[in-house]
Amino acid sequence: SAVISQKPSRDICQRGTSLTIQCQVDSQVTMMFWYRQQPGQSLTLIATANQGSEATYESGFVIDKFPISRPNLTFSTLTVSNMSPEDSSIYLCSAERASYNEQFFGPGTRLTVL
Amino acid sequence: AQSVSQHNHHVILSEAASLELGCNYSYGGTVNLFWYVQYPGQHLQLLLKYFSGDPLVKGIKGFEAEFIKSKFSFNLRKPSVQWSDTAEYFCAVSVSGNTGKLIFGQGTTLQVKP
Repeated sequence: SAVISQKPSRDICQRGTSLTIQCQVDSQVTMMFWYRQQPGQSLTLIATANQGSEATYESGFVIDKFPISRPNLTFSTLTVSNMSPEDSSIYLCSAERASYNEQFFGPGTRLTVL
Repeated sequence: AQSVSQHNHHVILSEAASLELGCNYSYGGTVNLFWYVQYPGQHLQLLLKYFSGDPLVKGIKGFEAEFIKSKFSFNLRKPSVQWSDTAEYFCAVSVSGNTGKLIFGQGTTLQVKP
């Protein structure tokens, strides 16, 4: 399995600011993903972070709000831009190696927007 | 659009009781099925997965799940739960050939009383 770390583990932010979340995998992976888990709800896929190209966003999520970078095969960032209280969620990074056909998840970043 | 439904939101059992958590999905094609578990304070971990073959799948820690195609179900079972099984359980589905996009159910919180 892959070990995934995220920074920060939690943060409290003011409305209108932006936060960048980092995701580091301990080995090269083919695919990386970002999910959101809103309070009391399930995980929802935000986007697939593509190495060397623009991320692929799911319906309801846009690049201006959630810009994503993936400069190499082990690292990705998600920025939550112009935050509002509705963005308060846990944001999770996951990674997949094609040969494993399963995703490994990071510990998540708990974001509270005031 | 695909969706996943977990019927039990909160389950309370005594130790040694048997467990069955329901999971149904809506998609007419071939799917891959997963159960993830999140222990308190820990990240999501894969319990078991089904891609093809024997519809009865055995996972870690004595868990198993049965894929019933005609019922679009993938219920999780354990014959005798332990206090350490207290956790949140998520059923997830991906469309075959697109393992990246996981669609999660709402989750079931299992509380096992010692």
